[in-house]
Amino acid sequence: KNQVEQSPQSLIILEGKNCTLQCNYTVSPFSNLRWYKQDTGRGPVSLTIMTFSENTKSNGRYTATLDADTKQSSLHITASQLSDSASYICVVSGVSGGYNKLIFGAGTRLAVHP
Amino acid sequence: NAGVTQTPKFQVLKTGQSMTLQCAQDMNHEYMSWYRQDPGMGLRLIHYSVGAGITDQGEVPNGYNVSRSTTEDFPLRLLSAAPSQTSVYFCASSYEAGGGLQNTGELFFGEGSRLTVL
Repeated sequence: KNQVEQSPQSLIILEGKNCTLQCNYTVSPFSNLRWYKQDTGRGPVSLTIMTFSENTKSNGRYTATLDADTKQSSLHITASQLSDSASYICVVSGVSGGYNKLIFGAGTRLAVHP
Repeated sequence: NAGVTQTPKFQVLKTGQSMTLQCAQDMNHEYMSWYRQDPGMGLRLIHYSVGAGITDQGEVPNGYNVSRSTTEDFPLRLLSAAPSQTSVYFCASSYEAGGGLQNTGELFFGEGSRLTVL
């Protein structure tokens, strides 16, 4: 079973618009949650890392929120640009199968159109 | 800054052939790892290392070997390639080993190696 679920699977928006990507997880306990951006044909690049005590973290036009009670996180992108077209991956660091590990979501593929 | 360097970027193998994917990092990171990325799935950990001379299995280690003779290098060997190993492989490193699989530090990924096994 996938313990990190991302939605939507894919999304198309117009340049300049805002969007929000969702990440729901069942990993418990967990130590931190990360968002990565992966351009096509490239490796993932870290956007934010949030511990369970942090509610919001920003990185330029990217703002991540975390609700540890409901086990939900979101990534909000403001004033989207063509360069935001990429896959966005949610990663939870926690306990699974009796040991600590990083659990990756399948990602949301975002396409920003002019 | 080179960061994490993977070679080759593309490789086509026939079933049964062996090969080595190379990974090198110049950030003096103790933790290094190999992941595979398949369509519709999250990255899955193959093997990892928390320092030179120390390696351990991840969640999908079958068919792969690793070694860590230096801090900088962490090659991944496919012993006898199978079509199920067709995937994109990523090497990642982190400053913090975090006690085995925990790895609370930021991961730095290479650009990936796309492997096709016919």
